[in-house]
Amino acid sequence: QQQVKQSPQSLIVQKGGISIINCAYENTAFDYFPWYQQFPGKGPALLIAIRPDVSEKKEGRFTISFNKSAKQFSLHIMDSQPGDSATYFCAALNQAGTALIFGKGTTLSVSS
Amino acid sequence: EPEVTQTPSHQVTQMGQEVILRCVPISNHLYFYWYRQILGQKVEFLVSFYNNEISEKSEIFDDQFSVERPDGSNFTLKIRSTKLEDSAMYFCAWGLAGAGGQFFGPGTRLTVL
Repeated sequence: QQQVKQSPQSLIVQKGGISIINCAYENTAFDYFPWYQQFPGKGPALLIAIRPDVSEKKEGRFTISFNKSAKQFSLHIMDSQPGDSATYFCAALNQAGTALIFGKGTTLSVSS
Repeated sequence: EPEVTQTPSHQVTQMGQEVILRCVPISNHLYFYWYRQILGQKVEFLVSFYNNEISEKSEIFDDQFSVERPDGSNFTLKIRSTKLEDSAMYFCAWGLAGAGGQFFGPGTRLTVL
């Protein structure tokens, strides 16, 4: 119930393409879903986040789509660039609001 | 630019030794967290700290771990007797309201030999 399942494990996208990463959760008490971007040797950086009362949130080239009934959410990166090559983690905030539960991560490679 | 700094950036220690990892907030954050990331794996929650008290801890955060904010600024994670499996990146994070965004520091790489 505390897990967040993320797929795919790795993703290769052509420059200019759309990158899509999916996550699923089980605990309906989760109410905040962030995505983090991590470059090698760095800490995770908050990219974009959504609460379950909205179905979509867009910030620049990054969009979260949220399906509350299916308990799934996804990150879409439009016009993917080589600089987007990184590991992306989805997460969910636990019921107490004190801990983030992370997915296992997706390594994205954008080829130029 | 992260709003917390972490020291040291890399710590090498012998198994069984005690280590103290430090996190220094730049502004007056209220909520603090420690996470760890074993190489190539996901980020795992260790403990959350609010108002000078632990608010939640994970199963990983056993008796060998402790946290404190001794001087009101530094936020420390102590591992009393390190094990090989404690080798990981340790991240300090901060949050504003305790529910929502958490912002991570650059991390300390701990290597236990």
